[in-house]
Amino acid sequence: QQQVKQSPQSLIVQKGGISIINCAYENTAFDYFPWYQQFPGKGPALLIAIRPDVSEKKEGRFTISFNKSAKQFSLHIMDSQPGDSATYFCAASMGNTGKLIFGQGTTLQVKP
Amino acid sequence: GAVVSQHPSRVICKSGTSVKIECRSLDFQATTMFWYRQFPKQSLMLMATSNEGSKATYEQGVEKDKFLINHASLTLSTLTVTSAHPEDSSFYICSAFPGTSGGLQYFGPGTRLTVL
Repeated sequence: QQQVKQSPQSLIVQKGGISIINCAYENTAFDYFPWYQQFPGKGPALLIAIRPDVSEKKEGRFTISFNKSAKQFSLHIMDSQPGDSATYFCAASMGNTGKLIFGQGTTLQVKP
Repeated sequence: GAVVSQHPSRVICKSGTSVKIECRSLDFQATTMFWYRQFPKQSLMLMATSNEGSKATYEQGVEKDKFLINHASLTLSTLTVTSAHPEDSSFYICSAFPGTSGGLQYFGPGTRLTVL
């Protein structure tokens, strides 16, 4: 019930394309769903986050789609660029605890 | 934005020695700090939750006597890997949770520990 399942494990996209990464959760008590970007040898950096009272959130080229009934959420990266090549992690937490449960990660490669 | 620092960024030590890693929130106070461990090409695994002035809460399977955590102030938490062995070699990452903005927390840049 505490797991967050992420797919795909790896993704190759052409420059300018759309990258889509999916996550699913079981615990309906989760109320905060962030996405992190991590470059090799660096700590994760927050990209965008959503709460379950909205179905979509967009920040620049990054969009989270959230489906509460299906307990799924996804990250869409529009106009993907080679600089977006990194590992992406979804996560979930119950906001008052701050304790994050991470997905397995997706390695994205954007080809020029 | 909020900044979390870790020191050192990289450490190499001999087997049997102890290593201390510091995590500082530079421009905010963190009621809670989390310590994670990440092996190559794997996800972040939560090791422990540390609250200022109280004992850390360790995740199942994490040896509390091996990974000593101290959260002496609202801006500093330390992780000491005692009697380190090669299998402790990993990337250790902390995060600081202000507790005032939902689940939002800030991650440090990580510390690469190599035990010879």
